[in-house]
Amino acid sequence: KQEVTQIPAALSVPEGENLVLNCSFTDSAIYNLQWFRQDPGKGLTSLLLIQSSQREQTSGRLNASLDKSSGRSTLYIAASQPGDSATYLCAVNIGWSYQLTFGKGTKLSVIP
Amino acid sequence: DGGITQSPKYLFRKEGQNVTLSCEQNLNHDAMYWYRQDPGQGLRLIYYSQIVNDFQKGDIAEGYSVSREKKESFPLTVTSAQKNPTAFYLCASSFRDGLNTEAFFGQGTRLTVV
Repeated sequence: KQEVTQIPAALSVPEGENLVLNCSFTDSAIYNLQWFRQDPGKGLTSLLLIQSSQREQTSGRLNASLDKSSGRSTLYIAASQPGDSATYLCAVNIGWSYQLTFGKGTKLSVIP
Repeated sequence: DGGITQSPKYLFRKEGQNVTLSCEQNLNHDAMYWYRQDPGQGLRLIYYSQIVNDFQKGDIAEGYSVSREKKESFPLTVTSAQKNPTAFYLCASSFRDGLNTEAFFGQGTRLTVV
């Protein structure tokens, strides 16, 4: 069964710092990986989707990478801002199922 | 605006009552899902539906029921058989582009047992 792990569970950084969030998965036969952001009491907002054939995707200050063979993805946030404070979740899609398997997320706090 | 609408935002249930959470999407997505989120547990899949009039149980379907009579709608009923229903419920929909599935979420419904 696919398992997705995100470490650390929480991270606190000063404003302006560049940071990396980690996501690992046990079954490398994924079709795609998606990164989400969740603000307290809100739904999930899709940030980036990386297809299995891609190595990375970029959107503004965000860059996500994917290494299927090692079962890892990273989300790089450049020049962090207090508004980036949220919980970040990754999810993988495998096979022809529509199902996503989620990690438990990393709670990020950016200190002004 | 295209998106997924969940209602209500907050819901209170008395012991022994059934309650229904609404989820509507205007994205023309084929698949829809219900997840439950508890602190420290992550998202757990309750039910999902790939096409109208068809749905499958997820990891924690006991005490829940769904229907998919229209492509746009996927309501979730929390029955009295669900012994610990207090949680944050999230509805999602997705489309498939080749081998890739991209999911989008509603804003959630917080259910509290009183």
